[in-house]
Amino acid sequence: GNSVTQMEGPVTLSEEAFLTINCTYTATGYPSLFWYVQYPGEGLQLLLKATKADDKGSNKGFEATYRKETTSFHLEKGSVQVSDSAVYFCALSDNAGNMLTFGGGTRLMVKP
Amino acid sequence: EAQVTQNPRYLITVTGKKLTVTCSQNMNHEYMSWYRQDPGLGLRQIYYSMNVEVTDKGDVPEGYKVSRKEKRNFPLILESPSPNQTSLYFCASSLRRVGTSGSNEQFFGPGTRLTVL
Repeated sequence: GNSVTQMEGPVTLSEEAFLTINCTYTATGYPSLFWYVQYPGEGLQLLLKATKADDKGSNKGFEATYRKETTSFHLEKGSVQVSDSAVYFCALSDNAGNMLTFGGGTRLMVKP
Repeated sequence: EAQVTQNPRYLITVTGKKLTVTCSQNMNHEYMSWYRQDPGLGLRQIYYSMNVEVTDKGDVPEGYKVSRKEKRNFPLILESPSPNQTSLYFCASSLRRVGTSGSNEQFFGPGTRLTVL
């Protein structure tokens, strides 16, 4: 079956540092890939997505590139802010687009 | 305001006492889904529905039931809750199936924290 593996957290960074959160996946066919963010006490929000190989999703300064050759979708941001502190989830959809499979989540803590 | 609402937000119950968590969306979305969130496991899909009267199992459907009699509502039913169903539950909806192109963003509700003693 499909699976998503994320680096374990927490990841602690100082403000303006560079962020990478690794995500690799196992899936058959050509899934779509997503990053979701969960702020404390809230539900998940879609951060960005990519639907085919080599696509780059981007939003709010975050980027991730769909790499089929390495089955990866790493999340990056050039300069993090305290307000980016949250839990980040990598996810993929099955080929039919009916189901989402999530990784375990990575908590990011940004210190002033 | 476009939103997904869940009730109750918090619930403590005992083993075997049937309960229902309601979910409602006001965006005329076709696709709705239930997830449970457990530490270290991320979110796991319980059931999903592609439209009225169309439901299907996700990854962890055991011990749960759902129904989709109306487009806006998608209740989650625990007929005989057990302690291993203690978790944080999220309902979500999207205009279309999650893997399709175009506007398929899932909107999540605020969550229901369930404790089964």
